[in-house]
Amino acid sequence: DVKVTQSSRYLVKRTGEKVFLECVQDMDHENMFWYRQDPGLGLRLIYFSYDVKMKEKGDIPEGYSVSREKKERFSLILESASTNQTSMYLCASSPRTEAFFGQGTRLTVV
Amino acid sequence: AQSVTQLDSQVPVFEEAPVELRCNYSSSVSVYLFWYVQYPNQGLQLLLKYLSGSTLVKGINGFEAEFNKSQTSFHLRKPSVHISDTAEYFCAVSDRLSEYGNKLVFGAGTILRVKS
Repeated sequence: DVKVTQSSRYLVKRTGEKVFLECVQDMDHENMFWYRQDPGLGLRLIYFSYDVKMKEKGDIPEGYSVSREKKERFSLILESASTNQTSMYLCASSPRTEAFFGQGTRLTVV
Repeated sequence: AQSVTQLDSQVPVFEEAPVELRCNYSSSVSVYLFWYVQYPNQGLQLLLKYLSGSTLVKGINGFEAEFNKSQTSFHLRKPSVHISDTAEYFCAVSDRLSEYGNKLVFGAGTILRVKS
């Protein structure tokens, strides 16, 4: 079975902090994604990576950056956390067809 | 850029009744299409997928979907729902021929509420 592991299920951070969300997949997938999920808005793509060190902005990249130094790991960085970044963050990996999701990280910025 | 429209934000239905959840996508280029389900407090699970071939796709838990290229639709159906089908359902699309990976775009979701 494909396993996508997000480092934390719940996080509470203070406004202005730099926040790292980590995601690791064990299936050598080319593509990895970061989404945020908010009620009524579905899953909105933040960033997408199709290879090591390669990334593309999604629909809502403002306030976020990403890093993919190794194929199995894709990190989402909130440079200076703000309260409007309080959300559920979902990581996924894909072999060019369907995506496999982690359990999500619920981030609260206070 | 691709976009996905799920036409109903909520669908209430009685147990054992049929249901259809509607999904339209923006582009007629070659696509992969997916339906995912999210049960309360759980992650996303793949329900079914269309990659190529037959336009009628069967998935888990008795669900099926039909790919209609001319109408750019991929509606999800079940002939008889159960209380346990109460969940949020997401439609998603990616471009099959994209040179740089397959960016996966989701709709806003449809909450299916099954009533007894």
